[in-house]
Amino acid sequence: QVQLQQWGAGLLKPSETLSLTCAVYGRSFSGYYWSWIRQPPGKGLEWIGEINHSGSTTYNPSLMSRVAISVDTSKNQFSLRLTSVTAADTAVYLCARMVTTGWFDSWGQGALVTVSS
Amino acid sequence: DIQMTQSPSSLSASVGDRVTITCRASQSISNYLNWYQQKPGKAPKLLIYAASSLQSGVPSRFSGSGSGTDFTLTISSLQPEDFATYYCHQSFSTPYTFGQGTNLEIK
Repeated sequence: QVQLQQWGAGLLKPSETLSLTCAVYGRSFSGYYWSWIRQPPGKGLEWIGEINHSGSTTYNPSLMSRVAISVDTSKNQFSLRLTSVTAADTAVYLCARMVTTGWFDSWGQGALVTVSS
Repeated sequence: DIQMTQSPSSLSASVGDRVTITCRASQSISNYLNWYQQKPGKAPKLLIYAASSLQSGVPSRFSGSGSGTDFTLTISSLQPEDFATYYCHQSFSTPYTFGQGTNLEIK
């Protein structure tokens, strides 16, 4: 049974950098894709990007210029950095595991990040 | 990007009702379509993967069908715990995209 636990700063000012980490417990880190997804308050889900255990990444073009996802396989963790945040980046950020055949079967608990001056 | 359109956006129903939610993709996605249930303050929960496969532990009253561009999620007999928001999700190509959600409310 895999568990994803995430953490990071919850309140940012405009132009700062969002940084979140997701730790994976209980199962192998390899063989899956690890994603970040966000959900603005009261709205739907937006996929931000993914990484595999080798460090290969794919990003949503809408955020590509500001986003970086990295992995630390020694700790079974992956991280999200989003630069130059604005109020539009206020959202609950979720980490999730995607099986190679294409669905998110495990999710972190979510973390609300608020961008406000 | 592949656009996913769900209908209806909201739905009122009663315990015991049969409910169907539809999801349409802007291009063919074969069977790379998944359904999630989300309750307030919680992460989404996988219900159906690959259009019609029931995730382990999910009650059999949930079912999915479709391929290509048109898909449905059916709940055969609504239970009180089923009132939530439902999202479809395509994993055919990146960027992965989700439907806008269907809010299932108690009538």
